Amino acid sequence: EAGVAQSPRYKIIEKRQSVAFWCNPISGHATLYWYQQILGQGPKLLIQFQNNGVVDDSQLPKDRFSAERLKGVDSTLKIQPAKLEDSAVYLCATRWEPNTEAFFGQGTRLTVV
Amino acid sequence: RKEVEQDPGPFNVPEGATVAFNCTYSNSASQSFFWYRQDCRKEPKLLMSVYSSGNEDGRFTAQLNRASQYISLLIRDSKLSDSATYLCVVNPSGSARQLTFGSGTQLTVLP
Repeated sequence: EAGVAQSPRYKIIEKRQSVAFWCNPISGHATLYWYQQILGQGPKLLIQFQNNGVVDDSQLPKDRFSAERLKGVDSTLKIQPAKLEDSAVYLCATRWEPNTEAFFGQGTRLTVV
Repeated sequence: RKEVEQDPGPFNVPEGATVAFNCTYSNSASQSFFWYRQDCRKEPKLLMSVYSSGNEDGRFTAQLNRASQYISLLIRDSKLSDSATYLCVVNPSGSARQLTFGSGTQLTVLP
């Protein structure tokens, strides 16, 4: 079974620029999460989708971050404008149903300079 | 208080040692508990789910104490390959869909 696909793997941008990340979940996985992981910390939830609906975006900095999952499959996460503190790994994870294992993509390592 | 708190670490242990990690959670309604393993510069991967009765998988044993709201992970006969960060993961609010991660405990097994 194919895993969770994320792209790009690495991105370096200047502050105030915009950037977008893409995630393609495992086929049939209805739940999709975006996490931010800063070096030395655990993953922090940004947003959670169930199919194409948002379940939880309470920790998403909505003034600069946005995410969508229009057809309940692929998802994109955007940052505009980026700040230095946004430097982190952005992880996408998906699950088939509640209480099942969550599978992670390899992440996108963002560096804001 | 954080929703999920873990031993700060790092833990440096010799090969063959037994090591235990604890994790506490704040929401008594939490229903699902997991241990994930994350290797350096890699994505987290499920190590094991934690069941009410406790469960064992080879050298790894997970325990859940609902009364004290903590879970534990015991690793026996540590191997060099066990070196990684161990993340405690909890469903914090009773919603089966949410996953909240602890900050992780770094383990280094020394030869």
